[in-house]
Amino acid sequence: QVQLVQSGPEVKKPGASVKVSCKASGYTFSSYGITWMRQAPGQGLEWMGWISTYNGNTNYAQKLQGRVTMTTDTSTSTAYMELRSLRSDDTAVYYCARDPIRNTNYFVSGSYFDYWGQGTLVTVSS
Amino acid sequence: DIQMTQSPSSLSASVGDRVTITCRASQSSSSFINWYQQKPGKAPKLLIYTASSLQSGVPSRFSASGSGTDFTLTISSLQPEDFATYYCQQSYSIPDTFGQGTKLEIK
Repeated sequence: QVQLVQSGPEVKKPGASVKVSCKASGYTFSSYGITWMRQAPGQGLEWMGWISTYNGNTNYAQKLQGRVTMTTDTSTSTAYMELRSLRSDDTAVYYCARDPIRNTNYFVSGSYFDYWGQGTLVTVSS
Repeated sequence: DIQMTQSPSSLSASVGDRVTITCRASQSSSSFINWYQQKPGKAPKLLIYTASSLQSGVPSRFSASGSGTDFTLTISSLQPEDFATYYCQQSYSIPDTFGQGTKLEIK
């Protein structure tokens, strides 16, 4: 069965970096894109960015440009999201999700997220 | 960015009730609206994609409709496991954006 398993919770100080992993199983990794989202405590969902597992193309939310990098390792079917220069308002649960529509090209309408990781809590505190 | 506004923000209902949640887009989203259910401490779960297509394994009491700027999610007969927060999401225009959520509580 399709599974996305994320790495464990992290506690970081302001200014530090965090790298969250998302290991996929149960499907052909390179056939589906991966989107990352986050959810601050008690808040809604925020789209962070997308990566093609086929060719490594990325598209990031404008507000995170310069601080976020998304990568994949196709040999281990794992996606990674690194966020740098952490601030207190980066405290959130971070999710990866499978995107069955956008894989090679982000500029396609009609995407949705059919499988999600369990979430990784990242706490930024001094 | 397309802004998605859900109403109501919260809703109290009883088991067996019929419930409708509305999502309005700030500009046309064609039919590229998806609906998710989220329970406390869990990841969101896809219910409906492309406005009205039921995701595999989702009970048929869930349905959705709409196009353009106005969309609805309907639960025909609430079950105890349906009490959760529901989000709409548009994927017509980059970047994808979500509604603020509708919390469905037991009356």
